[in-house]
Amino acid sequence: EVQLVESGGDLVQPGGSLRLSCSASGFTFSSYIIHWVRQAPGKGLEYVSAISSDGVGTYYADSVQGRFTMSRDNSKNTVYLQVSSLRDVDTAVYYCVAARSGRGAFDIWGQGTMVTVSS
Amino acid sequence: DIQMTQSPSSLSASVGDRVTISCRASQAITISTYLNWYQHKPGKAPKLLIYDASSLQSGVPSRFSGSGSGTEFTLTINSLQPEDFATYYCQQTYNTPFTFGPGTKVDIK
Repeated sequence: EVQLVESGGDLVQPGGSLRLSCSASGFTFSSYIIHWVRQAPGKGLEYVSAISSDGVGTYYADSVQGRFTMSRDNSKNTVYLQVSSLRDVDTAVYYCVAARSGRGAFDIWGQGTMVTVSS
Repeated sequence: DIQMTQSPSSLSASVGDRVTISCRASQAITISTYLNWYQHKPGKAPKLLIYDASSLQSGVPSRFSGSGSGTEFTLTINSLQPEDFATYYCQQTYNTPFTFGPGTKVDIK
C-alpha cells in the first residue's frame, strides 16, 4: 500500500522545537520530491517547504524560512522537518506530501500530525 | 508569490446537482496548466482530483472534470454525490511557493 505516515507532533511552548518525521512505504521514495503542507485550525492549506529527491535542494516559504529545516534519509524512506523558534501561528496539522516532479501535483498525502504551540 | 482566489467560498447543493468552482491566479504571468484540484474532508488527508488543469487522477470518478489555462480555471462536478460534500482547493505548481486557493466548501442544501 502506498502511504506516508507522519509523527512527532506535540504540544510545545512558544520558542520551542520539535522534529517531525514522515515515513514512506509502497512506492519508490527516493524518486519523489517531498513537501510539507500545513492547515491551521479553521483555515485553509498553506505550503511550507520542499526537499528534492536526492536531498540536496530545499525550499522554504517565507513564513518559516530560517526556523524550519527539512532533511531526508533515503535509506530509511524518511523525511524530517525540524521546526524551531515556534510561534502561536505555527499551530497546525502538518501534512507530508509526495510529488513525482518539481512542478508535479501532490498525489500522495499523509494523514497529518498536529503541532500545538501554546504556553 | 502567486495568489490564488476561488469562487464561491461556499455553496449549498443537492445530490444530483452540477457544481462549478472557479479558480484564478492573480498575477499578470500565466501559470499555463500547472493547476491542480484537491478534495479535503475533515480529519482526512486531502485527495488529488485533477492535475495539470484537466487530467483526471487515477481512481477519481469521471463526474469530476477540470478546465482552463493561463489564469482562469474551473472544477466541475456533474451529478453531485453524497460523498462529494467537502472543501475543494485549487493549487498552482508553476512557481514556488506552490500556493493554494482559500477553498470552496460544498455542503448539503
